[in-house]
Amino acid sequence: AQSVSQHNHHVILSEAASLELGCNYSYGGTVNLFWYVQYPGQHLQLLLKYFSGDPLVKGIKGFEAEFIKSKFSFNLRKPSVQWSDTAEYFCAGIGGSQGNLIFGKGTKLSVKP
Amino acid sequence: DTAVSQTPKYLVTQMGNDKSIKCEQNLGHDTMYWYKQDSKKFLKIMFSYNNKELIINETVPNRFSPKSPDKAHLNLHINSLELGDSAVYFCASSQDLGLAGGPFSNEQFFGPGTRLTVL
Repeated sequence: AQSVSQHNHHVILSEAASLELGCNYSYGGTVNLFWYVQYPGQHLQLLLKYFSGDPLVKGIKGFEAEFIKSKFSFNLRKPSVQWSDTAEYFCAGIGGSQGNLIFGKGTKLSVKP
Repeated sequence: DTAVSQTPKYLVTQMGNDKSIKCEQNLGHDTMYWYKQDSKKFLKIMFSYNNKELIINETVPNRFSPKSPDKAHLNLHINSLELGDSAVYFCASSQDLGLAGGPFSNEQFFGPGTRLTVL
């Protein structure tokens, strides 16, 4: 079955530390991948997406992600986090023939000021 | 302008009641979705509609019934509410089905969520 997995449940960093959140997907063929962020008490917002082309994707707020086909990975990175980046981060991929998103279980990021 | 809106934002009700959550999008999108986020923050698709036609109906109890009066609205009606229905329900929309590898972006825009608490 198609799935998206995020291995980090909770990541705690100090401000200015670098961030990398792991995401792996299990299905083959064409992949469309996304990272969404959910700030406390708010709805999901799109950070970035990969459809094709350059595997290094730049998103909003200084985030980027790299699609590595050989590793089935789409890790999210940010060189220097801020306290305002404290949120839940979700990796997602399009599920097969029906177009819905399949989400990973999310990674909670806590940034200490 | 709010792109995807949901009402109510909070809903507290007793077991056994029937309730509805409304969703509206003003983006001109053809496809709308309902997702459920449980207490562990896990998000899972429940339904999707494309041009008012049901596309996805995951293994959701038939107490949940989506209704799409037009392309801009996808309401969720829940009968005989149970404790396990407590969750945050998110509505979303996208331009089209956006099948993997297809020509359309499946960027989905999410509503603010409805926190349902069943007592």
